[in-house]
Amino acid sequence: DGGITQSPKYLFRKEGQNVTLSCEQNLNHDAMYWYRQDPGQGLRLIYYSQIVNDFQKGDIAEGYSVSREKKESFPLTVTSAQKNPTAFYLCASSIGATSLGTDTQYFGPGTRLTVL
Amino acid sequence: GEDVEQSLFLSVREGDSSVINCTYTDSSSTYLYWYKQEPGAGLQLLTYIFSNMDMKQDQRLTVLLNKKDKHLSLRIADTQTGDSAIYFCAESIDDYKLSFGAGTTVTVRA
Repeated sequence: DGGITQSPKYLFRKEGQNVTLSCEQNLNHDAMYWYRQDPGQGLRLIYYSQIVNDFQKGDIAEGYSVSREKKESFPLTVTSAQKNPTAFYLCASSIGATSLGTDTQYFGPGTRLTVL
Repeated sequence: GEDVEQSLFLSVREGDSSVINCTYTDSSSTYLYWYKQEPGAGLQLLTYIFSNMDMKQDQRLTVLLNKKDKHLSLRIADTQTGDSAIYFCAESIDDYKLSFGAGTTVTVRA
């Protein structure tokens, strides 16, 4: 089955610890994204990557870091510098620069991070 | 700047039509999207419309776009209990970025 997987579904961490969220896709998409969702708010873009070994900051990148060493993987690290890390984190992917017309984003099932 | 607004809640009786409204601000948006989110899950793409279209129909879903007023709506015909979810409107900002509304929670009552 083709799709986007995120693991784990639930994650608990103590305040001050870094934590890495996994995102894998087997859709052969070039572009990948990380969003944060808070209750009653729309999705906010953290980082995105148009192609392997390249990524750009989104609207709320402070306190987060990413890497894109492989086409299918785009892990997100929530660092201790992130002031309010408890949230639902969504990963997405799209065909990318080679698409004609809309570059529709497809989403994974999400990871709920709770910092205690 | 980009700002997408939606009403927060909608309650509808099973079998009736649901209409979810959205306004956006970026007149250069080329595509507008509707996503559905069930509890604890990711976003599922429902449909999208190109900005030069007025209407798009896909089975029970009808999207209407009024580009002059920057108004987008999603109509769900014959609403079922499985349609209970949060619906997000999103506009394309550039080749890679989307701007999302806060989501409309649709509750279907028997």
